[in-house]
Amino acid sequence: SQTIHQWPATLVQPVGSPLSLECTVEGTSNPNLYWYRQAAGRGLQLLFYSVGIGQISSEVPQNLSASRPQDRQFILSSKKLLLSDSGFYLCAWRAGGDEQYFGPGTRLTVT
Amino acid sequence: GQSLEQPSEVTAVEGAIVQINCTYQTSGFYGLSWYQQHDGGAPTFLSYNALDGLEETGRFSSFLSRSDSYGYLLLQELQMKDSASYFCAVRDRVLQKLVFGTGTRLLVSP
Repeated sequence: SQTIHQWPATLVQPVGSPLSLECTVEGTSNPNLYWYRQAAGRGLQLLFYSVGIGQISSEVPQNLSASRPQDRQFILSSKKLLLSDSGFYLCAWRAGGDEQYFGPGTRLTVT
Repeated sequence: GQSLEQPSEVTAVEGAIVQINCTYQTSGFYGLSWYQQHDGGAPTFLSYNALDGLEETGRFSSFLSRSDSYGYLLLQELQMKDSASYFCAVRDRVLQKLVFGTGTRLLVSP
């Protein structure tokens, strides 16, 4: 069966510090991978998606970037965090249909 | 582009039936899906409508009408554990990404 891992679960970082969130998927190959951000009580904002290794599409211009160095690994990064980067970050994968599977998420607080 | 609108909040009592609506504007999509998200948790897939009509999965049913650009999620025999946020979503035919609705917070009271 397929499993999606995200870490860390929670993170508190000062403004201006770097960020690296990692997501890995097991049990499937060549998945479509997604990074979402969710502010408290709000909807899901798509940040990046990838249909293959090295292929990244950015949805929202901001100080975040994403990379897909391996088929089942998706990384979200920032060189300098802003207060507005606080939120719940969710990684997700989709094999081919419309059923999308989400990781447990990382709750980021920028102070 | 795609946009999906949902009511922000719906309240109901245990044992009741509630309908969460989703109206959308899209240039082309495969079908309408629904996700449930409990506070602090990740969204989980509930149902998918590829064709017009009603799909039933236990206490939950989902409906799609492409001609009306409208769908809904029907929850029957409500339980306290159904208190959560519910999102509709469509998959863009060209860009292969899921676009989520604004989300509906369902509050179930005793």
